[in-house]
Amino acid sequence: GAGVSQSPSNKVTEKGKDVELRCDPISGHTALYWYRQSLGQGLEFLIYFQGNSAPDKSGLPSDRFSAERTGGSVSTLTIQRTQQEDSAVYLCASSYMGRPSTDTQYFGPGTRLTVL
Amino acid sequence: GENVEQHPSTLSVQEGDSAVIKCTYSDSASNYFPWYKQELGKRPQLIIDIRSNVGEKKDQRIAVTLNKTAKHFSLHITETQPEDSAVYFCAASSLGSNYKLTFGKGTLLTVNP
Repeated sequence: GAGVSQSPSNKVTEKGKDVELRCDPISGHTALYWYRQSLGQGLEFLIYFQGNSAPDKSGLPSDRFSAERTGGSVSTLTIQRTQQEDSAVYLCASSYMGRPSTDTQYFGPGTRLTVL
Repeated sequence: GENVEQHPSTLSVQEGDSAVIKCTYSDSASNYFPWYKQELGKRPQLIIDIRSNVGEKKDQRIAVTLNKTAKHFSLHITETQPEDSAVYFCAASSLGSNYKLTFGKGTLLTVNP
């Protein structure tokens, strides 16, 4: 079946503009995670959605970052008033139930964001 | 919160040799430890994982060991091949953290033919 998909694959924007990044998880997966991978850094957790529960936003670096998940499927990560330090690859992952005893996180191809 | 340290940051081996990458974690509640392989420009791919109720797991040329007392786990690749060249990330997670993964900073493995 289809894996996790993300769009766009690349996004170049000017400092101060808003951007929206989209993630389509694997069908049937109830848990969805956003991570950020900066140059030379590991992967950094941003936000987690599980079913209809309140999202875990503990990894969002500032209030310029927000995310939503509509209908328990597609998710959109929004970055307002982008800064150069926001430049990174934004990765989405999904899993069946968010429990490692039953599933694994599968990653999308990422969106490479460049803020000029 | 959880902190994961990974060593070495770079590793170069000859084809056919073994490679070992080590990680330590800080949160004793962590109970799930996956390893991801990321080739240049590609998405991270899970290659093996281990849960805290076992000490070792093998899958062909790849094995992972876990020492809960010392809070460290290691990836072992035997009979390395050039296609094993990639960045490898270890990670840790737990129920209390909503299973969000805390990653190490990665190891760039180069297998020389």
